[in-house]
Parts: sequence; structure tokens; C-alpha cells
Amino acid sequence: GENVEQHPSTLSVQEGDSAVIKCTYSDSASNYFPWYKQELGKRPQLIIDIRSNVGEKKDQRIAVTLNKTAKHFSLHITETQPEDSAVYFCAAGGSARQLTFGSGTQLTVLP
Amino acid sequence: DAGVIQSPRHEVTEMGQEVTLRCKPISGHDYLFWYRQTMMRGLELLIYFNNNVPIDDSGMPEDRFSAKMPNASFSTLKIQPSEPRDSAVYFCASNLRGLNTEAFFGQGTRLTVV
Repeated sequence: GENVEQHPSTLSVQEGDSAVIKCTYSDSASNYFPWYKQELGKRPQLIIDIRSNVGEKKDQRIAVTLNKTAKHFSLHITETQPEDSAVYFCAAGGSARQLTFGSGTQLTVLP
Repeated sequence: DAGVIQSPRHEVTEMGQEVTLRCKPISGHDYLFWYRQTMMRGLELLIYFNNNVPIDDSGMPEDRFSAKMPNASFSTLKIQPSEPRDSAVYFCASNLRGLNTEAFFGQGTRLTVV
């Protein structure tokens, strides 16, 4: 089955700096890679996703890159703000494969 | 739409008791997912349904767990008998197109088995 590894497990950045979270996956057949944000005590919510036919996708301060050859994908948050503080989960899967989630990254943005 | 609705939000029960968690998906969604979240194991998919039919239950930990979807607007996850290691947050999610598109999560049920 799919195995998703996520690093780092915790990340602290100063407000205004950038944050990068990295994930690797094992199943070359995976073709869908979403990122979810979960605030304390809340539900996970999708913030951005990328499919295997695209190498990069950007939405305002958030971007995701995908390297299919190396089987890794990354989340980039620029100009971080305190409200970006949360746990971020990557996942890998596809139309015929259930999503496997990474273990999560606790991001803390320090004012 | 009010989103995916789960009940109860919190459940405390004694070991050995039966627990039933409930979920109402977003109207019109034809996929429904049950997830379990723990510190040790993260977010795990337990089972998912398409058009009320269970498609993959390989994530269900053992026979004490069962899930049903009697109609398009209601699903249950039952644990009988419950054990302390079942303590977790259980999320229900739904969407329109299955595994490779956004899943809309409910608020979750925090289960504590003492």
C-alpha cells in the first residue's frame, strides 16, 4: 500500500517568514496530492491540492510543488501570519486508491 | 448547506459498552468516508461508501467496528464492545467524486472510553 512520510513534525517560523513542509510517497500510481489544514479542535479543511499532471500550483500565499520522479511534494507558505498556525497534513492517493495521510506538521507562527 | 453533521460531538462511555456515532453527509454527495484520528496513528481511513454501498472497509480495525449507510443522508459507525484504545476523534467526510477530490469533513466526535 501507499506510505506517506511528512517532515518536519513541528515547525516554528517568525511572522512574515516562509514555511516549507515536505512529503514523500511510495506508490508511483498515486495521482492526487491534497493538503489539509487543521486548527486546534477543528475539522481538517482542504487548502490546496495538486494532480500528477501538474508540477506546481499556487493560490495566493500558498503553493505546492510535485516531483513525480522523486515521489515528493511540498507545501510552501509565504509571508506567514499568526492565523497560519495549525497542523498541516499532506496526503497521497487517487481515483482507485484511498488517500493515505502524512503524520502532520504542527506549524507555529511567532509574532 | 450546513455541511457534514456529526453527532454526538463528545461521547464518554465505559469499556464494554456499545457506541454509535452518526453522520449526515452534505446533500447530493455520493461518497461518504469514516476516519479516525489519534496522536499515535494520525488520520486513518476506516471505511468508505459510494451510493450507500461499502466499497472498502480494509481500514476497519477489527470486528468490533461496523458501519452502515441505510440511505443517502445517514450513516453510522458502531463499536461493540468498546475498549479504551478506541478513544479517538472520529471524523465523517463526504464528497461528490470520490477519492481524488476534496473531502468535506464534519466537526468530529471525540470518543473517550474509560
